[in-house]
Amino acid sequence: KAGVTQTPRYLIKTRGQQVTLSCSPISGHRSVSWYQQTPGQGLQFLFEYFSETQRNKGNFPGRFSGRQFSNSRSEMNVSTLELGDSALYLCASRTGTSGYEQYFGPGTRLTVT
Amino acid sequence: AQTVTQSQPEMSVQEAETVTLSCTYDTSESDYYLFWYKQPPSRQMILVIRQEAYKQQNATENRFSVNFQKAAKSFSLKISDSQLGDAAMYFCAYRSARTSYDKVIFGPGTSLSVIP
Repeated sequence: KAGVTQTPRYLIKTRGQQVTLSCSPISGHRSVSWYQQTPGQGLQFLFEYFSETQRNKGNFPGRFSGRQFSNSRSEMNVSTLELGDSALYLCASRTGTSGYEQYFGPGTRLTVT
Repeated sequence: AQTVTQSQPEMSVQEAETVTLSCTYDTSESDYYLFWYKQPPSRQMILVIRQEAYKQQNATENRFSVNFQKAAKSFSLKISDSQLGDAAMYFCAYRSARTSYDKVIFGPGTSLSVIP
């Protein structure tokens, strides 16, 4: 089975712009979670989608949003980028109905200048 | 709210030796899962080992084993016969057993170096 894939792997954006990151889960997995990883804050949960619905949300401003498509692929959007949004964004998938193991993608490294 | 603490930001171990990484957590829930994840320099997060809170027996995966002390809310990882490939960031993580709740709470991580 192919693993979790994320595109793009690297991204450089300017402050004020917006960005969209993509995540394709493992085939058959319906749950997709997003995490932000920074040296200062560590790994922080952004949100989780299951069957196209946001099921859980972390403590991030409304500039961070996401969605999930019928094929379980998920996108994360960050609007009005700030320097502090520079981070590694990780996506993780699991079946969503049974099993609790999450499988992580390689991440998207976002740099905001 | 649940929290996960890893008190050792950095550790080192000689190749072939044994090392123990510490983790403590705080929760009011009785049913949950605990994990150790490994993140090598390539950044792909890999699940090393998991423990269900309702199980008293400590989990073991090859050279990796845990010491789970539920009353003390402690969950340490022991790596035996350390190898160069074990060098990575190790994250302790907590997840509620509620199936609809997929939020995983991570500790700050421990950077493990393996000395040849």
